Amino acid sequence: DTAVSQTPKYLVTQMGNDKSIKCEQNLGHDTMYWYKQDSKKFLKIMFSYNNKELIINETVPNRFSPKSPDKAHLNLHINSLELGDSAVYFCASSQGWGRRGQNTEAFFGQGTRLTVV
Amino acid sequence: AQKVTQAQTEISVVEKEDVTLDCVYETRDTTYYLFWYKQPPSGELVFLIRRNSFDEQNEISGRYSWNFQKSTSSFNFTITASQVVDSAVYFCALFSSGFGTGTRLQVTL
Repeated sequence: DTAVSQTPKYLVTQMGNDKSIKCEQNLGHDTMYWYKQDSKKFLKIMFSYNNKELIINETVPNRFSPKSPDKAHLNLHINSLELGDSAVYFCASSQGWGRRGQNTEAFFGQGTRLTVV
Repeated sequence: AQKVTQAQTEISVVEKEDVTLDCVYETRDTTYYLFWYKQPPSGELVFLIRRNSFDEQNEISGRYSWNFQKSTSSFNFTITASQVVDSAVYFCALFSSGFGTGTRLQVTL
């Protein structure tokens, strides 16, 4: 049973399109994250939700919108895709978060490689 | 401000050599958590270790060991007797939000 699963694994799309990446975790964790990893392998947090509440919202274009229908799901919707959005996007979850309470390790999905052409 | 610096971009060693990956962090928080993750060529991110700021004990797990020193704000990772399977990008992280730029380790025969 996959702990953190994200779909699709690969996504190739044209500039200007809107796309979504779905993420689900079956670990019972309270916190979920989206990270972007660029071609140089730099890993940067984009968003974090704790119990469906947005707690981290880094400087990300507002074309990116996370949605958490319940604490087991955190989807990422991207509007008007641009060439620079091409990257690998990782979803992750952890039991706690940040500076409050227990902060435990993040469990990552396998990544979604987004290519914008 | 929070920051994690992994000054070594890439390291190449021959199998069976020991190698240390450096991690220096900055934070104003008195309670914080540090992590190491491994990203092998297959691309997944694998958790290796968590350390909280109150626990300065060094840790050893098989060929892996970690040296946490608050005085120098460092959390270094040593692989003893490296193997080809250790080839990966290794990330140090502060909380779950601040990842270093990673160190690519290449272990050759």
